[in-house]
Amino acid sequence: DADVTQTPRNRITKTGKRIMLECSQTKGHDRMYWYRQDPGLGLRLIYYSFDVKDINKGEISDGYSVSRQAQAKFSLSLESAIPNQTALYFCATSDLGLTGSSYNEQFFGPGTRLTVL
Amino acid sequence: QQQVKQSPQSLIVQKGGISIINCAYENTAFDYFPWYQQFPGKGPALLIAIRPDVSEKKEGRFTISFNKSAKQFSLHIMDSQPGDSATYFCAATNAGGTSYGKLTFGQGTILTVHP
Repeated sequence: DADVTQTPRNRITKTGKRIMLECSQTKGHDRMYWYRQDPGLGLRLIYYSFDVKDINKGEISDGYSVSRQAQAKFSLSLESAIPNQTALYFCATSDLGLTGSSYNEQFFGPGTRLTVL
Repeated sequence: QQQVKQSPQSLIVQKGGISIINCAYENTAFDYFPWYQQFPGKGPALLIAIRPDVSEKKEGRFTISFNKSAKQFSLHIMDSQPGDSATYFCAATNAGGTSYGKLTFGQGTILTVHP
């Protein structure tokens, strides 16, 4: 969705390099999330933030860090990239409560394909 | 640990057939179960969702069936079309708990509908 943008869309890096993935949203949502997608493993939550001052670890946070620079911006960093961090990374946003019949619907960005050599 | 288990991993269906994807969960505190659809090169998008106070929800050709006692729910796609070819994820969350808003996703099912 154009409302949630991710940069870069593709990135190839080398083991040991520091890399940052950026996410911006114009939906005005307070909640933002970072997921990684691997074949056969689905979407796994890395970090999430329910507002600018709130950062929480997800199920696979080791090796990652995040920064919530503003309501609209949420960045994911790999301090020292390793090959098993090669994956498709998604940022998502959501509002609180019911919107129509959709409860806490999450809106995803287009993804960043990261390859660590 | 994977709290939501999804099967099958891949599914091939002929046009006009019925596609069925199953999910099972462990956490009895889960009380909201959405399905997301992902086309190649895109992020997932909400398709349909159900709360456990009903056993079935239908939207067009898409139906969720929910079995609370078995802790299972499934997505049925009637009259499957080639345009339905995508990856489908089930998910679950506890709307009233401290994890409010966090979704736990299944492993995903790659659906291919042949013309």
